[in-house]
Amino acid sequence: DAKTTQPNSMESNEEEPVHLPCNHSTISGTDYIHWYRQLPSQGPEYVIHGLTSNVNNRMASLAIAEDRKSSTLILHRATLRDAAVYYCILRDLLNTNFGNEKLTFGTGTRLTIIP
Amino acid sequence: NAGVTQTPKFQVLKTGQSMTLQCAQDMNHNSMYWYRQDPGMGLRLIYYSASEGTTDKGEVPNGYNVSRLNKREFSLRLESAAPSQTSVYFCASRGLTGSGYTFGSGTRLTVV
Repeated sequence: DAKTTQPNSMESNEEEPVHLPCNHSTISGTDYIHWYRQLPSQGPEYVIHGLTSNVNNRMASLAIAEDRKSSTLILHRATLRDAAVYYCILRDLLNTNFGNEKLTFGTGTRLTIIP
Repeated sequence: NAGVTQTPKFQVLKTGQSMTLQCAQDMNHNSMYWYRQDPGMGLRLIYYSASEGTTDKGEVPNGYNVSRLNKREFSLRLESAAPSQTSVYFCASRGLTGSGYTFGSGTRLTVV
């Protein structure tokens, strides 16, 4: 399975944008890029996903490099509630459609928001 | 509210005791998963069930068994608990297409 590399930790000031990077140099053509986050003492929650084009939703934006070997999760205006561990995960569309997919988590990026 | 429900939320076991962690989802999802998370680490897959009636081993299955009772429920059993199984256990489910995973709030298990 293709793997991802993320910084262990990042800090950001409250109400400023945050850019969380992820490298996935061995990504395949059928891999979707997914982001999850885990708030303290909670289970992970879905944030956003994309394949080739940049994506926006109410939580965040996802910027994908043209060669797809890296991506960046963008929180436009960080709040204290955004303090969490953020996981960048690749999901193979072929496995997804056949139901035998296994989501693999790394250690993620621990984001600290400074008031 | 729709989602994944795990019980119990907390449990303390003595070494050698057995217990079953329960998980139920009401989203009509086909696939269900059990993960464990140790301090400072990411989640590791224990077992999963791609659909009702099927189960498969994940990354760390030793010491565990699972049952996909029906489409809604997926239980995890520890037959003889060991201190190394002290962890937080998360159940998750997802639909058939490329939808996101929904996780439960976790069961914090301590084995003494």
